[in-house]
Amino acid sequence: GAVVSQHPSRVICKSGTSVKIECRSLDFQATTMFWYRQFPKQSLMLMATSNEGSKATYEQGVEKDKFLINHASLTLSTLTVTSAHPEDSSFYICSARDPGMGYNEQFFGPGTRLTVL
Amino acid sequence: AQSVTQLDSQVPVFEEAPVELRCNYSSSVSVYLFWYVQYPNQGLQLLLKYLSGSTLVKGINGFEAEFNKSQTSFHLRKPSVHISDTAEYFCAVSERGSARQLTFGSGTQLTVLP
Repeated sequence: GAVVSQHPSRVICKSGTSVKIECRSLDFQATTMFWYRQFPKQSLMLMATSNEGSKATYEQGVEKDKFLINHASLTLSTLTVTSAHPEDSSFYICSARDPGMGYNEQFFGPGTRLTVL
Repeated sequence: AQSVTQLDSQVPVFEEAPVELRCNYSSSVSVYLFWYVQYPNQGLQLLLKYLSGSTLVKGINGFEAEFNKSQTSFHLRKPSVHISDTAEYFCAVSERGSARQLTFGSGTQLTVLP
């Protein structure tokens, strides 16, 4: 089946620093990737939709200058949390859609736990 | 717009007992329906999906779900649960024939007790 990886799985950083999270589709080319944020005991909230070769589409309330998304290739999307603060601490999950499938199944990465001190 | 309601935030059940996790959705168009499972500090794993055809869908780990269009429901069931089924379960919906993203329910924590 389709596999999506994320790196790193866990990161701890100081307030004010920037953190980059990578999302890779390992065995398929993903024209579309999604970035979600999940707070403890809560559901996934879509942050943005990342399309290869074009600008990401951000959901309402998500600061695009704060959460920079780059989808430079068909197998890699990155999320950079700029000038991170403690309130950015969360579990970030990416997913990718295989365009070879006719329906909207998304394959999820294992997530990245971000802790900002 | 579409929405998903998972009626139970927590479901405790004893090992080997049956379980049903409820999911209702709302949409103005036809949808695809999904159930995902999330173990602690992990991503989501697809349990099963309804695309078309038979309304009873069988998935991995002995789970099944039934699509009921008139009641706009997609409840998840397992006849006999194991300790290892303890996890968070999410119901999700996406519109047919479009590139729209998934909309998730709030999740149900299933805890299987010995």
